[in-house]
Amino acid sequence: TQLLEQSPQFLSIQEGENLTVYCNSSSVFSSLQWYRQEPGEGPVLLVTVVTGGEVKKLKRLTFQFGDARKDSSLHITAAQTGDTGLYLCAGAPSGAGSYQLTFGKGTKLSVIP
Amino acid sequence: DADVTQTPRNRITKTGKRIMLECSQTKGHDRMYWYRQDPGLGLRLIYYSFDVKDINKGEISDGYSVSRQAQAKFSLSLESAIPNQTALYFCAIKQGATGELFFGEGSRLTVL
Repeated sequence: TQLLEQSPQFLSIQEGENLTVYCNSSSVFSSLQWYRQEPGEGPVLLVTVVTGGEVKKLKRLTFQFGDARKDSSLHITAAQTGDTGLYLCAGAPSGAGSYQLTFGKGTKLSVIP
Repeated sequence: DADVTQTPRNRITKTGKRIMLECSQTKGHDRMYWYRQDPGLGLRLIYYSFDVKDINKGEISDGYSVSRQAQAKFSLSLESAIPNQTALYFCAIKQGATGELFFGEGSRLTVL
């Protein structure tokens, strides 16, 4: 069983601060996805990273896939109250026939005005 | 119309009752999934289906069954609900080459 550990589990910061969320595993993933979930809604895909060392930017959000494709990070610059939500990472296992994503338990982010 | 529609959105029931959660999609994708979300436990896969004739158990299938009535419809049933099945349930479709999922808005189930 492939496990993805996210840290921190909870994060409360002031508006304007920077933050980083981590997603770590001992397993190799063919790709890794980040989702954001707001209360009462389903998770929404933010980004997919595929190549080891890949960096993707989505406005103030920067996503990085580790060189060995075992870990990823999400960095938010100058957080805004609209960034509040649950951030989930999910890994697609390597190997043929692997169709099940492995989800981390999530990081609950609260951005205080 | 939403791409993935779940009904009901909220349901309160009693122990021992049979419950069905329904999911329909308008995207025409073959692969559909049912997940359960509990605080602190993340999303766990219950069942998934690659097409009408292909149903597969996920990580936590005990106590649940599914039916893929058509490409667009995938239902989750609890034959005899118990309190520890109280959770938020999500239906999802696979939409990308690298396994990205598109989720419905969720069905909150409370078993008393």
